[in-house]
Amino acid sequence: EPEVTQTPSHQVTQMGQEVILRCVPISNHLYFYWYRQILGQKVEFLVSFYNNEISEKSEIFDDQFSVERPDGSNFTLKIRSTKLEDSAMYFCASLQESGNTIYFGEGSWLTVV
Amino acid sequence: SQQGEEDPQALSIQEGENATMNCSYKTSINNLQWYRQNSGRGLVHLILIRSNEREKHSGRLRVTLDTSKKSSSLLITASRAADTASYFCATAKNRDDKIIFGKGTRLHILP
Repeated sequence: EPEVTQTPSHQVTQMGQEVILRCVPISNHLYFYWYRQILGQKVEFLVSFYNNEISEKSEIFDDQFSVERPDGSNFTLKIRSTKLEDSAMYFCASLQESGNTIYFGEGSWLTVV
Repeated sequence: SQQGEEDPQALSIQEGENATMNCSYKTSINNLQWYRQNSGRGLVHLILIRSNEREKHSGRLRVTLDTSKKSSSLLITASRAADTASYFCATAKNRDDKIIFGKGTRLHILP
């Protein structure tokens, strides 16, 4: 069964460093999302992306965050200057244009030290 | 806020018993989805129910939706140890909209 894949599975980075989290959505999907889950808390929406542009973003998704679909297959989340509070599991998800079910990847654990 | 809120927050039952988790939400929705998350792992989609549906089944899972009460329930029958996980409901206002998660129910199946 097709799946959303994310890399890296775990990354440790120093505060202030830039991080790029990568995702390969399911191939015929056209809507893409990033969510995050701080340890022990609920899953929070960050941003949605469709037709090569951001369609919606949350308050969490400030100027330190950006998303890109550079080559038609990868969908990346960049955090420009990481803070301790960015430590979380980041989930990528995708949705088929005619579908309803949003499929999630296994997540990327980000630890900022 | 559109978000779903599950109850109970935590549930422990004996293997073989049925587990029922509830979800309430605040605004009108297009669909409601249930996900499972094993500790530290990804979100696995379990079942989706549309706003014009009242009940759906998938294997040992049964989901109901009451749009007048803005609530849904997830029933897992004949629970197994492998069902131990957190379960989240998530709602979408429109078909292609983001989904908003509740805080989840932590289900623990006792041997």
